[in-house]
Amino acid sequence: NAGVTQTPKFRILKIGQSMTLQCTQDMNHNYMYWYRQDPGMGLKLIYYSVGAGITDKGEVPNGYNVSRSTTEDFPLRLELAAPSQTSVYFCASRGQGGEQYFGPGTRLTVT
Amino acid sequence: DAKTTQPTSMDCAEGRAANLPCNHSTISGNEYVYWYRQIHSQGPQYIIHGLKNNETNEMASLIITEDRKSSTLILPHATLRDTAVYYCIVRVPLDNFNKFYFGSGTKLNVKP
Repeated sequence: NAGVTQTPKFRILKIGQSMTLQCTQDMNHNYMYWYRQDPGMGLKLIYYSVGAGITDKGEVPNGYNVSRSTTEDFPLRLELAAPSQTSVYFCASRGQGGEQYFGPGTRLTVT
Repeated sequence: DAKTTQPTSMDCAEGRAANLPCNHSTISGNEYVYWYRQIHSQGPQYIIHGLKNNETNEMASLIITEDRKSSTLILPHATLRDTAVYYCIVRVPLDNFNKFYFGSGTKLNVKP
């Protein structure tokens, strides 16, 4: 199993640009999550999904959108990038015991 | 979710056991103890979890006190690659809104 994979690893955006962060898992997990982690801080939940076709907002959803057309994929969309969205983004899926498996992260800089 | 208290940092000699404590005195009966670690710039990595019995897997052992108010993560033979921030999290395993409060964790420094 590859586990949870994310692309790209790094990205620099200009203010107002848009992009999609990709996330894929091959563990057939229903629950998937997007988090952001600012320097020296913990994780903040952006969006989560309990299965294909079902998504819901987390703590900090403003400026982001998600979709879940398949069990495997959970992309995160930034429509109008702002400097406040500079962060490291982690995707995760949840196993049967409640444990979470994280991807390697996408480091995003908005200038 | 119950809050946890961990020491800010710990040192361990390579090859020795690393014992990382966590206090969770307000834990509820249906809350589990989870341990994760984050190596610099990488995604958090799941280590182990348990409810009340001691647990062991290929990475570590988890010892939970009988009153469940504290626990200890044991890395039996620490290596330099185990240098990371270790997070103890207490939560109900299957709640939908997965508010993942990592806290500050314990920075484990494994030294040669």
